[in-house]
Amino acid sequence: DAKTTQPTSMDCAEGRAANLPCNHSTISGNEYVYWYRQIHSQGPQYIIHGLKNNETNEMASLIITEDRKSSTLILPHATLRDTAVYYCIVSDGYNTDKLIFGTGTRLQVFP
Amino acid sequence: ETGVTQTPRHLVMGMTNKKSLKCEQHLGHNAMYWYKQSAKKPLELMFVYNFKEQTENNSVPSRFSPECPNSSHLFLHLHTLQPEDSALYLCASSPETYSPLHFGNGTRLTVT
Repeated sequence: DAKTTQPTSMDCAEGRAANLPCNHSTISGNEYVYWYRQIHSQGPQYIIHGLKNNETNEMASLIITEDRKSSTLILPHATLRDTAVYYCIVSDGYNTDKLIFGTGTRLQVFP
Repeated sequence: ETGVTQTPRHLVMGMTNKKSLKCEQHLGHNAMYWYKQSAKKPLELMFVYNFKEQTENNSVPSRFSPECPNSSHLFLHLHTLQPEDSALYLCASSPETYSPLHFGNGTRLTVT
């Protein structure tokens, strides 16, 4: 299974864009990039996923490099409620049940 | 409200007790999962059920026994647990493969 590398922690000022990077240099052609976040004392929450193209939804944008070896999750206007641990995961579309969560990036949004 | 409800939210049990964790999803999904999250460790996948059939047992000790009577309900039966089994137990569901997981808020288990 492809592995991901994320920074351990990041800070972001409220109202600014939070850009969370993820490296997945061993990703294979049929593997998707998924992002989840876990707010303290809650279960993980799905944010977004993509294969090759950039994706956007009401929560965030996902930018995947052309070689697919890295991606960036963008929260365009971070709020204090976005403080959480963010997980970047790669998994092939045939085995969603093999989603492996690493240690993620702890994002702290400050006033 | 995530659509996946776990009960109880907190559970304290002795090593000789038998207890069960319950998960119910109201999303019409076909796959359900148990994950374990210990302090300062990544989530660990324990069991996967697809259309009520177990498709994955990630080398989980037999003191954890899952049950999936239908696609909406998932149980984790616990007996003779150890203190190191204290953790947050998370249930998740997904419509099908290709689809993201929807998690409940977990049961915080403490084994004394």
